[in-house]
Amino acid sequence: DTGVSQNPRHKITKRGQNVTFRCDPISEHNRLYWYRQTLGQGPEFLTYFQNEAQLEKSRLLSDRFSAERPKGSFSTLEIQRTEQGDSAMYLCASSLGAGGDIQYFGAGTRLSVL
Amino acid sequence: AQSVTQLDSQVPVFEEAPVELRCNYSSSVSVYLFWYVQYPNQGLQLLLKYLSGSTLVKGINGFEAEFNKSQTSFHLRKPSVHISDTAEYFCAVSPVGYNKLIFGAGTRLAVHP
Repeated sequence: DTGVSQNPRHKITKRGQNVTFRCDPISEHNRLYWYRQTLGQGPEFLTYFQNEAQLEKSRLLSDRFSAERPKGSFSTLEIQRTEQGDSAMYLCASSLGAGGDIQYFGAGTRLSVL
Repeated sequence: AQSVTQLDSQVPVFEEAPVELRCNYSSSVSVYLFWYVQYPNQGLQLLLKYLSGSTLVKGINGFEAEFNKSQTSFHLRKPSVHISDTAEYFCAVSPVGYNKLIFGAGTRLAVHP
């Protein structure tokens, strides 16, 4: 069990550029989640996958955001035409089961949009 | 809809003193309850969770929490804190039948020598 891995740890980009983040969940976990955390706030749910199927998306996930989990293993979160308001910590989590199962979090990717 | 309110944004406390971090929630459906801790530059780590059964839940590092359904609260306690407990603590709920976590804004616990 190597834990949830996120890359890169930090990303600095200019407004209008596209960025992509990667999340590698714990290997046997079939559920994967993305959250966003801004300064002084708790994480906010963005989207959820069960295997390769994206089953829920938050209204926070505008059409500039897209997430994939092509083979039910790692996932990518892409933000197109970044805006300064996208600056945040993007967290990935995974779990073995649903509902009350523990979600294990990665250390996050910190995005700064200049 | 669900919401979580952590009543204190910061809690300063001296080493070896007891501490309580307060959490209230609002939900129209049953929820599971969680406390997570976040150390600087690290991911969120689960302290404890309540699914059902005994309302007093014990977690890691000497923490415990009590679920109070009538007051919709899930306060976190530790009888004697250490410097190493300095961190951000998040209360979260997960509606039964759903998979997402809904977090409070967090409480920064600062333990002073």
